[in-house]
Amino acid sequence: AQSVAQPEDQVNVAEGNPLTVKCTYSVSGNPYLFWYVQYPNRGLQFLLKYITGDNLVKGSYGFEAEFNKSQTSFHLKKPSALVSDSALYFCAVRPWMDSSYKLIFGSGTRLLVRP
Amino acid sequence: NAGVTQTPKFQVLKTGQSMTLQCAQDMNHNSMYWYRQDPGMGLRLIYYSASEGTTDKGEVPNGYNVSRLNKREFSLRLESAAPSQTSVYFCASSEAGRASATQYFGPGTRLLVL
Repeated sequence: AQSVAQPEDQVNVAEGNPLTVKCTYSVSGNPYLFWYVQYPNRGLQFLLKYITGDNLVKGSYGFEAEFNKSQTSFHLKKPSALVSDSALYFCAVRPWMDSSYKLIFGSGTRLLVRP
Repeated sequence: NAGVTQTPKFQVLKTGQSMTLQCAQDMNHNSMYWYRQDPGMGLRLIYYSASEGTTDKGEVPNGYNVSRLNKREFSLRLESAAPSQTSVYFCASSEAGRASATQYFGPGTRLLVL
């Protein structure tokens, strides 16, 4: 079965420190990988995606993610966390052969950045 | 350019009542989607419309129907609401024909079924 795992329900980090939100996936074939962020009572906002090419993808608000094919991972990173980064983060994968182009989401990781 | 809009923002229903959730996008996207979000489960696809005039079931379609009214609008109907349908519903849209296309989400509708 195709799936996405976000092993941490919550990540706590101090402002100014680097942050990592983990994501691993299981799909057939090559995946397209996405990160979204959700602020309270808001919809999902697109952060970045991996399609092909460079394994390090840069996105909005200083976030980046590293695709690792051998470890089937796509971890989200930021060199220096801000309190305003506190939100719910979702990793999603789209199997490249899926004609519906639907996204398969992880369960989400809550990021809490303390001042 | 409003992106994806959804109405209503919040709704309370009694078991057995019906309602329609509305979604519209102004990005000229061909594909539209309905997801539900439940705590600890991420988002799950209910129905999608790859293009105007077509609709298909997603992962959790039972208890729902959809209508792709035109290219801009995609509605989700609950014919007889059940407490298990208490959730947050998100509509999304994307360009068609490319699996790498980004989906853009609306602000969501919070539904409480008593």
